[in-house]
Amino acid sequence: EIVMTQTPLSLPVTPGEPASISCRSSQSLFDSYDRKTYLDWYLQKPGQSPQILIHTLSYRASGVPDRFSGSGSGTDFTLKISMVEAEDVGIYYCMQRIEFPWTLGQGTKVEIK
Amino acid sequence: QVQLVESGGGLVKPGRSLRLSCVGSDFVFRDYYMNWFRQAPGKGLEWVSYISSAGETIHYADSVKGRFTISRDNAKNLLTLQMNSLRVEDTALYYCARGLVYAPGDLWGPGTLVTVSS
Repeated sequence: EIVMTQTPLSLPVTPGEPASISCRSSQSLFDSYDRKTYLDWYLQKPGQSPQILIHTLSYRASGVPDRFSGSGSGTDFTLKISMVEAEDVGIYYCMQRIEFPWTLGQGTKVEIK
Repeated sequence: QVQLVESGGGLVKPGRSLRLSCVGSDFVFRDYYMNWFRQAPGKGLEWVSYISSAGETIHYADSVKGRFTISRDNAKNLLTLQMNSLRVEDTALYYCARGLVYAPGDLWGPGTLVTVSS
């Protein structure tokens, strides 16, 4: 199975400042057939169900603020928050769905300094 | 209101069975693939099982293969997870989530708690 590794696991952030989370996969998530990269980012806010932020590497899900962006290629990926807001606290997960079993990273806990 | 709602969780002894349900409302259920995820207390998210929109393609995590069975009834907007031979390590909050290839995981239920303990 594809192993997903996130860094850091804990990220103290300052509101108004940028933040980034890295995710690495043990195999390429690029599908040469449709030329898409099947890497998604989710945020689980405290006490809530997960919500999709970014899908297929860099597409923001409906309603997601444009301060969130996804990038990367092959096996190395980054989620960036251009200017952190207090409501962005929670646990961020990357997930691959290029092949089954779908696998997720360990999660990165983002909290306000 | 567009939503998914899980039910069927509870306290069960190791080795016993439980059946989870997930009902979709106010969207075309049959258009979406469906997944079960779970989250053990204080732990991260784990993907459990997938079923395609018409139910012809099914996948499981190795940790549940041979013990869990996913199914759906599109006429009833219903997704189920039959869980047999439950283990203590199956204790978790179980979520159902819908998706499309280019709109994955865009709706999740609130979850139903399964506790496996003697």
